[in-house]
Amino acid sequence: DGGITQSPKYLFRKEGQNVTLSCEQNLNHDAMYWYRQDPGQGLRLIYYSQIVNDFQKGDIAEGYSVSREKKESFPLTVTSAQKNPTAFYLCASSILTGGIQPQHFGDGTRLSIL
Amino acid sequence: EDQVTQSPEALRLQEGESSSLNCSYTVSGLRGLFWYRQDPGKGPEFLFTLYSAGEEKEKERLKATLTKKESFLHITAPKPEDSATYLCAVQAEGIQGAQKLVFGQGTRLTINP
Repeated sequence: DGGITQSPKYLFRKEGQNVTLSCEQNLNHDAMYWYRQDPGQGLRLIYYSQIVNDFQKGDIAEGYSVSREKKESFPLTVTSAQKNPTAFYLCASSILTGGIQPQHFGDGTRLSIL
Repeated sequence: EDQVTQSPEALRLQEGESSSLNCSYTVSGLRGLFWYRQDPGKGPEFLFTLYSAGEEKEKERLKATLTKKESFLHITAPKPEDSATYLCAVQAEGIQGAQKLVFGQGTRLTINP
């Protein structure tokens, strides 16, 4: 079955540590996105990528980094510069042709601080 | 600034009791409005896309409608399995290529048997 796989489901970070969240899709979608979800707030865009080896900052990119070396993969690194990293992180993908298309989401990674 | 506001924040209904969820938006030209369902600990699941005022989409007990300022998600004779958080998102004009969506904070719906 085609879909978006995020791993791990739960992740714990120590102070001063960088952690990387994985996102893989087998939908052959062009674009991929990372969102952060906090209780009582809407999803906020961290980074997005339309094509391999290119990505753009979203609304809350500070303290995060990404790469897009393969079409299928868009890992997110939460760096030690992100002072409030505890949140539910969601990866999404979409096609970019055929008009306005919905984004499809993975099942998220919950990041907590030790 | 583009904004999306959903109301109510939470809604509790009895099984079979129909109601509506509201999504109000202010954007500089709407390209599309999306409804998603999110279960606890899961990612959002796509439900509908609406493109222009007057448009309606239906799926089982759900019907989404769109006006120039808001969208409604009508739930007819809901069942306990309809319990979830429902998210609304808009895509504004002026953004080419990848979609930059603006999300509302969601409505948490609980259907009691």
